[in-house]
Parts: sequence; C-alpha cells; structure tokens
Amino acid sequence: GAVVSQHPSRVICKSGTSVKIECRSLDFQATTMFWYRQFPKQSLMLMATSNEGSKATYEQGVEKDKFLINHASLTLSTLTVTSAHPEDSSFYICSARDQGAGRIDGYTFGSGTRLTVV
Amino acid sequence: KQEVTQIPAALSVPEGENLVLNCSFTDSAIYNLQWFRQDPGKGLTSLLLIQSSQREQTSGRLNASLDKSSGRSTLYIAASQPGDSATYLCAVSPGTASKLTFGTGTRLQVTL
Repeated sequence: GAVVSQHPSRVICKSGTSVKIECRSLDFQATTMFWYRQFPKQSLMLMATSNEGSKATYEQGVEKDKFLINHASLTLSTLTVTSAHPEDSSFYICSARDQGAGRIDGYTFGSGTRLTVV
Repeated sequence: KQEVTQIPAALSVPEGENLVLNCSFTDSAIYNLQWFRQDPGKGLTSLLLIQSSQREQTSGRLNASLDKSSGRSTLYIAASQPGDSATYLCAVSPGTASKLTFGTGTRLQVTL
C-alpha cells in the first residue's frame, strides 16, 4: 500500500529558530499533500494544502509567513516553522493520496512530528 | 461548512465485548468517508474507506457502515481486544484529492 514518510519524528528547538519537517511519498507520486496540526487530546486541524509546483493554500487563521510550505517535487513536501515560539509546540502530521489509476486507497498519513519549542 | 461529530468521546469496555462507534456529518455531499486509528503520539492508520456509493466495508473484526442521506457512519468492532485501545477518527472528503474534515474522535480503552 501507499506509504508516507515523515521526518523528524521528534524535534526540540529554541525559541526564535526555524524547524523544517519533511513529508515524502515513498511509492507513489502526490501532486497534493496536506499538513495538519493536532493539539493534545484534540482532533486534526488542517493547516494548508500543498500543491506541487505552485503555492500552498492555507486555511483561515494560519499564517503563511510563519508556516512555509514547499512542494518542489511529486514526492516531497516540506513545512518550515519559522521563528518558532512555545505556542507552536504541537504534533504536526502530513498526508497524501495515491491517485494512480485504479487506486482508491484513501489518504495515507505520515507518522507525525512532535515539535517542542523551549 | 462541514462539521463531523463522534459519539461517544470516550469509551471503556471489557475485553471481548462488541462495540459501536458513531460518526455524524452535517453535509451529506461527500465523496467518501474514512475511519482511522491513532495510537498515542503516533500518526494515523487507515482502517476502512467507504465510497459515497457504498453502504458498508469490512476488514477482519471491523465493519463500517455509511448512511449518506442521514449523515451517519458507524464503526463496529467485534470481540474487542486490549490491542484495540486507541483513538478512532472518522473523516469525510467532498471530492477526490480534497481535504479531509475530521471528527472529534473516540478514545477507546479495552480492559482485561
């Protein structure tokens, strides 16, 4: 089945620094990937839709200059949290869908990244 | 705006019981509905996907049903096991490659 690899799984950074999270589709091409954020004991909140070769589409209330998304290839999307603050500490998850012919596998999710800003 | 609700929010059952998790959505114009499992601190694992034209899907001890017109889906877990303990999330999509709207989740604990 489709596999999405997300890296790193955990990261601790100092306030004011930037952190990059990678999301890769390992055995399929994904023209669209999605980035979610999850607070403790809450459901997933969509942050943005990452489109290969074009600008990402951000959800209302999500700062595009703070959460930079790059989708430079059909298998890689990155989320960079710039000038991180403690309130950015959260669990970030990416997902993609294999839209190859005949595939109806739904969405596949990465294993998530636990970001802690100190 | 699509809203997805899951009931109950938390559930604790003894091992061996059959159980039902509920998911409801406000906009019936969906393309598909997907059930996921999430273990603490982990990503999501897809359990079952139901296309809008389907009524149910089965995988092992899991059975998911969909009543699109009434905006409801249920996940039935037979003969529950401690390893089933996790948070279960349902999510709906309005179209192919469209964003998912997630439910609030049900935290399940199966005790020995």
